[in-house]
Amino acid sequence: AQTVTQSQPEMSVQEAETVTLSCTYDTSESDYYLFWYKQPPSRQMILVIRQEAYKQQNATENRFSVNFQKAAKSFSLKISDSQLGDAAMYFCAYWPDNYGQNFVFGPGTRLSVLP
Amino acid sequence: EPEVTQTPSHQVTQMGQEVILRCVPISNHLYFYWYRQILGQKVEFLVSFYNNEISEKSEIFDDQFSVERPDGSNFTLKIRSTKLEDSAMYFCASSARTGEGDQPQHFGDGTRLSIL
Repeated sequence: AQTVTQSQPEMSVQEAETVTLSCTYDTSESDYYLFWYKQPPSRQMILVIRQEAYKQQNATENRFSVNFQKAAKSFSLKISDSQLGDAAMYFCAYWPDNYGQNFVFGPGTRLSVLP
Repeated sequence: EPEVTQTPSHQVTQMGQEVILRCVPISNHLYFYWYRQILGQKVEFLVSFYNNEISEKSEIFDDQFSVERPDGSNFTLKIRSTKLEDSAMYFCASSARTGEGDQPQHFGDGTRLSIL
């Protein structure tokens, strides 16, 4: 079974600084997708960024970028120029590229942004 | 952009009562899912539904849970006799058969279920 691990329950960053959130996963599949979701206090699930495993190039989305290391099964999220609105829970998620299959989520990292 | 809609946003129910959580998936989607998130914990898969039947379910999805697509648009999760530990955020998601847009599963905003 696939598992997703986030080893940092909590992180903090100064406003305008850069922070990296870690995620590792375990799978025997070769084709899959990885995601980072942001969950603010309202508890909506907001997609931040996604990465297709077959793509070697790391995904970027404005201030958000990932470091995808397929061999190491590592998928970290870098947030540059952190803003107060970035404070939230961040969940790493795995999906096995099969529309009948569910997402597998990590336990989350709570990010605080300090003014 | 089409959205997955969940109602109500917050449901308060007495322990032992039945509750039905409602979801309206995106109209051309074929796969439907329910996930649960107990406060402070990760999001966990409950069940997936395709072609009017359950395709996968987790060990959480026991006999007190059921799902239904009663009218071709709504997708419901019923909890027959609620327990205190059923208090959680419940997310509905849907997906199309083929990849489109930026995410394979579109999540609703969730229903917060509080059991008293």
